[in-house]
Amino acid sequence: DTAVSQTPKYLVTQMGNDKSIKCEQNLGHDTMYWYKQDSKKFLKIMFSYNNKELIINETVPNRFSPKSPDKAHLNLHINSLELGDSAVYFCASSQGGLIINEQFFGPGTRLTVL
Amino acid sequence: DAKTTQPPSMDCAEGRAANLPCNHSTISGNEYVYWYRQIHSQGPQYIIHGLKNNETNEMASLIITEDRKSSTLILPHATLRDTAVYYCIVRVAGFGNEKLTFGTGTRLTIIP
Repeated sequence: DTAVSQTPKYLVTQMGNDKSIKCEQNLGHDTMYWYKQDSKKFLKIMFSYNNKELIINETVPNRFSPKSPDKAHLNLHINSLELGDSAVYFCASSQGGLIINEQFFGPGTRLTVL
Repeated sequence: DAKTTQPPSMDCAEGRAANLPCNHSTISGNEYVYWYRQIHSQGPQYIIHGLKNNETNEMASLIITEDRKSSTLILPHATLRDTAVYYCIVRVAGFGNEKLTFGTGTRLTIIP
């Protein structure tokens, strides 16, 4: 069983388009995240949601809008895509508030903006 | 910004113990040390964490110095599948502090 899944795995699109990436976790966790890994392999958090409520927003441009319809899903919508948005986007989940806070990551979505 | 320093790369012979160092000289008393790894563009994977005592689980051991300014992750019998980038992360545990701040990590290559 896949714990954290993302769709699509690959996404190629033109500058200026709007696209969405979906994430689902079946672990019963209440906290979900989006991370971005750029071409230099730096992995950086973008957002965190706890029980559908935004708790972390790391100064991400407002072209990026996360949406959490329920605590098992955290989707990422990106408006007016730019070349610099090309990266691998990872979704993750954890049970918030615990010391261990082990985060489970999805397989990633490789976004290429042409 | 990441608050840890790791060597950029290391090699280890298959079957030997891999010892990965991490410096965190500015660690606070309530910050834990976490280790994650990323195998070839997959999502990062949790390995182990600790506060001040040494810890061991089925994957690895974590040795934290008494002054907590540095730590070592030990993979006791490295296999080829342990080739990955290993990240040492420090953070305060608890609600609202869940974000992981990744540094550049150590690229560990296991040599047959």
